[in-house]
Amino acid sequence: AQSVTQLDSQVPVFEEAPVELRCNYSSSVSVYLFWYVQYPNQGLQLLLKYLSGSTLVKGINGFEAEFNKSQTSFHLRKPSVHISDTAEYFCAVSLYNQGGKLIFGQGTELSVKP
Amino acid sequence: DAGVTQSPTHLIKTRGQQVTLRCSPISGHKSVSWYQQVLGQGPQFIFQYYEKEERGRGNFPDRFSARQFPNYSSELNVNALLLGDSALYLCASSGSPRFYEQYFGPGTRLTVT
Repeated sequence: AQSVTQLDSQVPVFEEAPVELRCNYSSSVSVYLFWYVQYPNQGLQLLLKYLSGSTLVKGINGFEAEFNKSQTSFHLRKPSVHISDTAEYFCAVSLYNQGGKLIFGQGTELSVKP
Repeated sequence: DAGVTQSPTHLIKTRGQQVTLRCSPISGHKSVSWYQQVLGQGPQFIFQYYEKEERGRGNFPDRFSARQFPNYSSELNVNALLLGDSALYLCASSGSPRFYEQYFGPGTRLTVT
């Protein structure tokens, strides 16, 4: 069975500092990888996705993530965060043949302080 | 263009009652997936419907059911509500063949008392 582990439940950081949100997955078959952001009382917004090709993918709002197949990781990074980045972030995987089903991690609460 | 819409936004039900949640996908999308997000956790997959047929089902009891209409909108029904059904219910739409590229609605917040 597939699973996603987000290694930090909460990440506090000061404004303009860099941040990394960690995600590891477990799967015996190839997967697609995603990061979503959820602002309070809202649905999920896609930040970026890895389907194939270059292991470094860039998304919206200055975020990027690197796929590491040997370590089964897909960590999210941003070089300089803003107050507006405060939100819950979810890592998710999808099997190639089950595209309509996303498996999510527990989420990481990013709190950006002035 | 309108995104995914869900109704109602909030509702409160009593244990044992039944509830129906509604979702309209993005125009042109024929697939709808439903997720349950309990407070403090990541979303859990409930169902996927494509072209009015069930394409996938998560690990939820038979009290949960869904259907998709000819206009590709969808309903999620939950019978015999339990306190543990209190959650944010999210609907996501996608187009074939990229079912993995899912666009989420704002969700319906269900509270069971």
